[in-house]
Amino acid sequence: EPEVTQTPSHQVTQMGQEVILRCVPISNHLYFYWYRQILGQKVEFLVSFYNNEISEKSEIFDDQFSVERPDGSNFTLKIRSTKLEDSAMYFCAQTRDRGSTGELFFGEGSRLTVL
Amino acid sequence: QQPVQSPQAVILREGEDAVINCSSSKALYSVHWYRQKHGEAPVFLMILLKGGEQKGHDKISASFNEKKQQSSLYLTASQLSYSGTYFCVRYNKLIFGAGTRLAVHP
Repeated sequence: EPEVTQTPSHQVTQMGQEVILRCVPISNHLYFYWYRQILGQKVEFLVSFYNNEISEKSEIFDDQFSVERPDGSNFTLKIRSTKLEDSAMYFCAQTRDRGSTGELFFGEGSRLTVL
Repeated sequence: QQPVQSPQAVILREGEDAVINCSSSKALYSVHWYRQKHGEAPVFLMILLKGGEQKGHDKISASFNEKKQQSSLYLTASQLSYSGTYFCVRYNKLIFGAGTRLAVHP
């Protein structure tokens, strides 16, 4: 089964600092997603990304968030100025096919703790 | 908009059956089901597509009523390993429901 690799597995940061979370894509998986899950709560959609462009984004994905594939390989989520409420597990997910038919493969997650 | 799941939680003895329901106020083009164990990432179980096509898990079955915009996940002869939180996911945007916590006890 394909594996999605996320780094770091855990990051602790001070409020107001910038954080970059990385995701190593599976070969030939073209559709990327970021989700957030606050401890014990629901899995929240942040953004989907295809062909180097954002396809969809949620209300949560405001100006402090950005996504890119800077070198054509790794897929990153940047949070510019972290807030306490950004503390959560962030999951990268990928599909080979479009979402209606494509199974989501999740990474193990990056736990972000904002102090 | 988030799909609505019911029940919120289920407690079973090993070998018992359970049904988890999912409904949406918006049109469902497809429904995905995922299971998440504590401290882990969600794991794919099934996709149900319009027209009746299904892809997924051999030991778990599901139904998809396109007209009613509902889906149900059927867990039969439950095993301890079935414990976790089950999510239905609506396409498009792949929005997760709030989840159904399932606990299977010996």
